[in-house]
Amino acid sequence: SQQGEEDPQALSIQEGENATMNCSYKTSINNLQWYRQNSGRGLVHLILIRSNEREKHSGRLRVTLDTSKKSSSLLITASRAADTASYFCATDSMGLIQGAQKLVFGQGTRLTINP
Amino acid sequence: NAGVMQNPRHLVRRRGQEARLRCSPMKGHSHVYWYRQLPEEGLKFMVYLQKENIIDESGMPKERFSAEFPKEGPSILRIQQVVRGDSAAYFCASSPLAAPSNTQYFGPGTRLTVL
Repeated sequence: SQQGEEDPQALSIQEGENATMNCSYKTSINNLQWYRQNSGRGLVHLILIRSNEREKHSGRLRVTLDTSKKSSSLLITASRAADTASYFCATDSMGLIQGAQKLVFGQGTRLTINP
Repeated sequence: NAGVMQNPRHLVRRRGQEARLRCSPMKGHSHVYWYRQLPEEGLKFMVYLQKENIIDESGMPKERFSAEFPKEGPSILRIQQVVRGDSAAYFCASSPLAAPSNTQYFGPGTRLTVL
């Protein structure tokens, strides 16, 4: 079953506006990460937030984490056409062997920035 | 500093043939993960390997799929007797350590099409 669920599934905004995507998960985590995927391409790591952190910034990105609600949000400020992509949250999930760290991905939010 | 390399980028096979997907991790990384992505979906974990060891294969189908990461050379994901349902993008990721806070770096993926 999916650990992460992104919301909304698709988002279309005008260039310059802010874009907010949300992610919910089910089990306890060590970290939550956000990745970007351009159409037909691989994943690019954006930001990692640890379970003991509540907010993190990186350039135009702002990530929040609420472990009590098991949710995270990704805010992209002053969006650009080049931000058009799918965005995935991924949580680490301890595997069968201690120390193993497989990532569990949500379905993604498809973000379109209109010029 | 080359990133994670995958080849081939595109692979076409007929039903019943074998598919071999290769992944070279980033320099200095000894942990490799394989994920599968179906169209319009997020990535699903398949297997986690270290050099000469399979650590977690809980996401691997029980039949026809195998993975290895030999002492020398790339990691190989092998799919025997492919079926149309195997058509997907297969991504490899690597990380330097298995510690919970490590980011996984993804390759560009291999897109497998089964005719």
